[in-house]
Amino acid sequence: DIQMTQSPSTLSASVGDRVTITCRASQSISSWLAWYQQKPGKAPKLLIYDASTLESGVPSRFSGSVSGTEFALTITSLQPDDFATYYCQQYNSYSPWTFGQGTKVEIK
Amino acid sequence: QVHLVESGGGVVQPGRSLRLSCVVSGFTFSNYGMHWVRQAPGKGLEWVAGIFYDGRNKYYADPVKGRFTISRDTSKNTLFLQLNSLGAEDTAVYYCAKQKLPLATAGPINYWGQGTLVTVSS
Repeated sequence: DIQMTQSPSTLSASVGDRVTITCRASQSISSWLAWYQQKPGKAPKLLIYDASTLESGVPSRFSGSVSGTEFALTITSLQPDDFATYYCQQYNSYSPWTFGQGTKVEIK
Repeated sequence: QVHLVESGGGVVQPGRSLRLSCVVSGFTFSNYGMHWVRQAPGKGLEWVAGIFYDGRNKYYADPVKGRFTISRDTSKNTLFLQLNSLGAEDTAVYYCAKQKLPLATAGPINYWGQGTLVTVSS
Protein backbone atom coordinates (compact mmCIF):
# COMPACT_ATOMS: atom_id res chain seq x y z
CA ASP A 1 0.00 0.00 0.00
CA ILE A 2 1.03 3.60 -0.54
CA GLN A 3 2.32 5.37 2.58
CA MET A 4 2.02 9.10 3.14
CA THR A 5 4.60 10.79 5.35
CA GLN A 6 3.36 14.17 6.56
CA SER A 7 5.45 16.80 8.35
CA PRO A 8 5.67 18.52 10.69
CA SER A 9 3.34 16.90 13.20
CA THR A 10 2.92 20.23 15.00
CA LEU A 11 3.51 23.74 13.79
CA SER A 12 3.43 26.86 15.96
CA ALA A 13 2.71 30.07 14.08
CA SER A 14 1.28 33.55 14.44
CA VAL A 15 -1.55 35.29 12.63
CA GLY A 16 -0.20 36.61 9.34
CA ASP A 17 2.53 33.98 9.03
CA ARG A 18 3.12 31.94 5.90
CA VAL A 19 3.07 28.24 6.71
CA THR A 20 3.83 25.16 4.66
CA ILE A 21 2.94 21.54 5.38
CA THR A 22 4.41 18.72 3.31
CA CYS A 23 3.43 15.16 2.43
CA ARG A 24 5.62 12.63 0.73
CA ALA A 25 4.18 9.59 -1.03
CA SER A 26 6.02 6.27 -0.93
CA GLN A 27 5.44 5.85 -4.67
CA SER A 28 4.01 7.82 -7.57
CA ILE A 29 0.40 8.93 -7.13
CA SER A 30 0.41 11.40 -10.01
CA SER A 31 -1.61 14.34 -8.65
CA TRP A 32 -4.18 12.24 -6.79
CA LEU A 33 -3.86 14.07 -3.49
CA ALA A 34 -6.23 16.10 -1.35
CA TRP A 35 -5.78 18.31 1.69
CA TYR A 36 -8.36 18.55 4.48
CA GLN A 37 -8.80 20.79 7.49
CA GLN A 38 -10.30 19.40 10.67
CA LYS A 39 -11.38 21.23 13.80
CA PRO A 40 -12.06 19.48 17.12
CA GLY A 41 -15.30 17.52 17.17
CA LYS A 42 -16.00 18.22 13.51
CA ALA A 43 -15.77 16.27 10.28
CA PRO A 44 -12.90 17.18 7.94
CA LYS A 45 -13.34 19.85 5.28
CA LEU A 46 -11.92 19.55 1.77
CA LEU A 47 -9.50 22.36 0.91
CA ILE A 48 -7.47 21.25 -2.10
CA TYR A 49 -7.80 18.31 -4.49
CA ASP A 50 -5.84 16.96 -7.43
CA ALA A 51 -2.80 18.39 -5.63
CA SER A 52 -3.46 22.02 -6.52
CA THR A 53 -7.15 22.65 -7.27
CA LEU A 54 -8.84 24.88 -4.74
CA GLU A 55 -12.23 23.59 -3.58
CA SER A 56 -15.10 25.99 -4.15
CA GLY A 57 -15.58 28.40 -1.26
CA VAL A 58 -12.09 27.90 0.19
CA PRO A 59 -10.11 31.13 0.66
CA SER A 60 -7.38 31.80 -1.87
CA ARG A 61 -4.73 32.03 0.86
CA PHE A 62 -4.71 28.21 0.68
CA SER A 63 -2.73 26.65 -2.14
CA GLY A 64 -1.30 23.27 -3.07
CA SER A 65 1.70 22.20 -5.09
CA VAL A 66 3.48 19.05 -6.16
CA SER A 67 6.98 18.07 -7.19
CA GLY A 68 7.32 14.39 -7.98
CA THR A 69 6.07 12.56 -4.93
CA GLU A 70 6.34 15.55 -2.58
CA PHE A 71 3.22 17.61 -2.01
CA ALA A 72 2.80 20.86 -0.12
CA LEU A 73 -0.04 22.85 1.38
CA THR A 74 0.73 26.54 1.87
CA ILE A 75 -1.28 29.11 3.79
CA THR A 76 0.03 32.52 2.75
CA SER A 77 -1.30 34.62 5.64
CA LEU A 78 -2.53 32.59 8.57
CA GLN A 79 -5.88 33.71 9.94
CA PRO A 80 -7.40 32.95 13.38
CA ASP A 81 -9.87 30.54 11.75
CA ASP A 82 -6.97 28.51 10.29
CA PHE A 83 -5.75 27.08 13.58
CA ALA A 84 -6.73 23.44 13.11
CA THR A 85 -5.33 20.06 12.10
CA TYR A 86 -4.53 19.41 8.46
CA TYR A 87 -4.35 16.06 6.67
CA CYS A 88 -3.20 14.98 3.26
CA GLN A 89 -4.83 12.00 1.56
CA GLN A 90 -3.89 10.04 -1.54
CA TYR A 91 -6.69 8.57 -3.66
CA ASN A 92 -4.97 6.48 -6.24
CA SER A 93 -7.52 4.38 -8.12
CA TYR A 94 -7.72 0.62 -7.63
CA SER A 95 -5.73 0.64 -4.41
CA PRO A 96 -6.36 1.42 -0.76
CA TRP A 97 -6.34 5.10 0.13
CA THR A 98 -4.26 6.57 2.94
CA PHE A 99 -4.11 9.72 5.01
CA GLY A 100 -1.04 11.44 6.32
CA GLN A 101 -0.51 11.52 10.07
CA GLY A 102 -1.80 15.08 10.39
CA THR A 103 -0.30 18.48 11.23
CA LYS A 104 -1.68 20.51 14.09
CA VAL A 105 -1.29 24.24 13.49
CA GLU A 106 -1.13 25.97 16.87
CA ILE A 107 -1.04 29.58 17.97
CA LYS A 108 2.51 30.67 18.80
CA GLN B 1 -28.64 19.52 0.41
CA VAL B 2 -26.41 16.53 0.81
CA HIS B 3 -26.88 14.58 4.02
CA LEU B 4 -25.12 11.49 5.32
CA VAL B 5 -26.42 10.04 8.57
CA GLU B 6 -24.58 7.18 10.25
CA SER B 7 -26.02 4.83 12.82
CA GLY B 8 -25.23 1.51 14.44
CA GLY B 9 -22.36 2.48 16.70
CA GLY B 10 -22.19 1.55 20.35
CA VAL B 11 -20.29 -0.46 22.94
CA VAL B 12 -19.39 -3.99 21.88
CA GLN B 13 -17.27 -6.71 23.47
CA PRO B 14 -14.00 -7.82 21.89
CA GLY B 15 -14.51 -10.49 19.25
CA ARG B 16 -18.11 -9.49 18.57
CA SER B 17 -19.65 -7.90 15.47
CA LEU B 18 -21.43 -4.68 14.59
CA ARG B 19 -23.09 -3.29 11.47
CA LEU B 20 -22.90 0.40 10.68
CA SER B 21 -25.35 2.09 8.32
CA CYS B 22 -25.21 5.41 6.51
CA VAL B 23 -28.41 6.76 4.97
CA VAL B 24 -27.77 9.41 2.33
CA SER B 25 -29.91 12.01 0.64
CA GLY B 26 -29.57 15.03 -1.61
CA PHE B 27 -27.65 13.32 -4.43
CA THR B 28 -27.89 10.33 -6.77
CA PHE B 29 -26.35 7.66 -4.55
CA SER B 30 -25.68 5.20 -7.39
CA ASN B 31 -23.38 7.71 -9.12
CA TYR B 32 -20.84 8.17 -6.35
CA GLY B 33 -18.05 6.19 -4.78
CA MET B 34 -18.43 5.96 -1.01
CA HIS B 35 -16.06 5.38 1.88
CA TRP B 36 -15.73 4.74 5.57
CA VAL B 37 -13.06 6.68 7.48
CA ARG B 38 -12.41 6.31 11.20
CA GLN B 39 -10.72 8.34 13.88
CA ALA B 40 -9.63 6.85 17.18
CA PRO B 41 -9.93 9.16 20.20
CA GLY B 42 -7.26 11.86 20.01
CA LYS B 43 -5.74 10.32 16.87
CA GLY B 44 -5.62 11.07 13.16
CA LEU B 45 -7.88 10.06 10.31
CA GLU B 46 -7.66 6.51 9.01
CA TRP B 47 -9.27 5.44 5.74
CA VAL B 48 -11.03 2.12 6.32
CA ALA B 49 -12.83 1.00 3.16
CA GLY B 50 -14.21 2.23 -0.14
CA ILE B 51 -16.69 1.01 -2.73
CA PHE B 52 -17.09 2.04 -6.35
CA TYR B 53 -20.23 3.88 -7.43
CA ASP B 54 -21.52 0.70 -9.08
CA GLY B 55 -20.43 -1.59 -6.27
CA ARG B 56 -18.09 -3.57 -8.56
CA ASN B 57 -14.91 -2.88 -6.63
CA LYS B 58 -14.23 -2.66 -2.93
CA TYR B 59 -10.98 -1.77 -1.15
CA TYR B 60 -9.87 -2.13 2.43
CA ALA B 61 -7.11 -0.87 4.66
CA ASP B 62 -4.75 -3.62 5.80
CA PRO B 63 -5.79 -3.50 9.49
CA VAL B 64 -9.41 -4.37 8.60
CA LYS B 65 -8.98 -6.61 5.57
CA GLY B 66 -10.78 -9.91 6.11
CA ARG B 67 -12.73 -8.56 9.11
CA PHE B 68 -14.75 -5.65 7.71
CA THR B 69 -17.06 -5.63 4.68
CA ILE B 70 -18.35 -2.56 2.88
CA SER B 71 -21.55 -2.76 0.84
CA ARG B 72 -24.26 -0.53 -0.55
CA ASP B 73 -28.00 -0.82 -1.22
CA THR B 74 -29.02 1.62 -3.91
CA SER B 75 -32.73 0.94 -3.38
CA LYS B 76 -32.38 2.16 0.22
CA ASN B 77 -29.79 4.90 -0.41
CA THR B 78 -27.71 3.24 2.27
CA LEU B 79 -24.05 2.42 2.75
CA PHE B 80 -23.06 -0.33 5.18
CA LEU B 81 -19.97 -1.46 7.04
CA GLN B 82 -19.99 -4.89 8.65
CA LEU B 83 -17.42 -5.08 11.43
CA ASN B 84 -16.42 -8.57 12.61
CA SER B 85 -13.85 -9.84 15.12
CA LEU B 86 -13.64 -6.44 16.75
CA GLY B 87 -10.69 -5.50 18.93
CA ALA B 88 -9.82 -2.55 21.13
CA GLU B 89 -7.85 -1.06 18.23
CA ASP B 90 -11.13 -0.63 16.33
CA THR B 91 -12.48 1.85 18.88
CA ALA B 92 -13.11 5.04 16.92
CA VAL B 93 -15.60 7.43 15.43
CA TYR B 94 -16.60 6.00 12.05
CA TYR B 95 -17.44 8.52 9.33
CA CYS B 96 -19.37 7.79 6.16
CA ALA B 97 -18.00 9.87 3.28
CA LYS B 98 -18.93 10.70 -0.31
CA GLN B 99 -16.61 11.24 -3.24
CA LYS B 100 -16.76 14.61 -4.96
CA LEU B 101 -17.09 13.56 -8.60
CA PRO B 102 -19.79 11.31 -10.10
CA LEU B 103 -18.99 8.09 -11.95
CA ALA B 104 -15.35 8.28 -10.88
CA THR B 105 -13.24 5.36 -9.68
CA ALA B 106 -11.42 7.66 -7.27
CA GLY B 107 -11.43 11.23 -6.09
CA PRO B 108 -11.48 13.52 -3.08
CA ILE B 109 -14.15 13.39 -0.40
CA ASN B 110 -16.38 16.43 -0.25
CA TYR B 111 -19.10 15.36 2.18
CA TRP B 112 -18.91 13.58 5.51
CA GLY B 113 -21.45 12.34 7.99
CA GLN B 114 -21.39 13.36 11.63
CA GLY B 115 -19.82 10.05 12.64
CA THR B 116 -20.88 7.17 14.87
CA LEU B 117 -18.78 6.04 17.82
CA VAL B 118 -17.78 2.40 18.14
CA THR B 119 -16.29 1.41 21.48
CA VAL B 120 -14.83 -2.07 21.84
CA SER B 121 -14.57 -2.95 25.49
CA SER B 122 -15.30 -5.82 27.84
